[in-house]
Amino acid sequence: DVKVTQSSRYLVKRTGEKVFLECVQDMDHENMFWYRQDPGLGLRLIYFSYDVKMKEKGDIPEGYSVSREKKERFSLILESASTNQTSMYLCASSLPTSGDTKETQYFGPGTRLLVL
Amino acid sequence: GQNIDQPTEMTATEGAIVQINCTYQTSGFNGLFWYQQHAGEAPTFLSYNVLDGLEEKGRFSSFLSRSKGYSYLLLKELQMKDSASYLCAVFGSGNTGKLIFGQGTTLQVKP
Repeated sequence: DVKVTQSSRYLVKRTGEKVFLECVQDMDHENMFWYRQDPGLGLRLIYFSYDVKMKEKGDIPEGYSVSREKKERFSLILESASTNQTSMYLCASSLPTSGDTKETQYFGPGTRLLVL
Repeated sequence: GQNIDQPTEMTATEGAIVQINCTYQTSGFNGLFWYQQHAGEAPTFLSYNVLDGLEEKGRFSSFLSRSKGYSYLLLKELQMKDSASYLCAVFGSGNTGKLIFGQGTTLQVKP
């Protein structure tokens, strides 16, 4: 079974702090994704990566950065946390799509971040 | 723009059938996923449709009409454990694996 783990289930930080959210997958997936999930807004893509050291902006990258130094690990960084970044953060991974094969994304359990 | 619409909430009775609709307008279409998400947990894969028609998998079925930009998830013989959010997601254009998600439909199953 694919396993995607996230470093924390719950996190409380103060405004202005630098926050690191870590995600690790054990299935050698090329693609990795960071989403935030808010009531009424669904999952919104922050950043994604389709290879080591590669990254692309998603729909809402402002205030975030990412790092992918190793294939299995994808980190989300909040350089200076703000209260509007209070949310559920979900990491996902998948194999690359090729031709007619669309690989599903596998999600981690999520990190619920509260910024005070 | 890109838009995926689902009802926000639905309620159904144990043992009944419920249909959750999803309409989409995206720049390109390369397939549609349905995920189930229990409260406080990660979304898990339910189904994938890329061609028109019905895909059946046990108590769950998913239908797609590409010409209408429409899909539905059909849940039969509802059980209390089916109470969850159901997420519709579309692969748009390109091949990077990016998904566009709807806001999700929260289904409550009552005895």
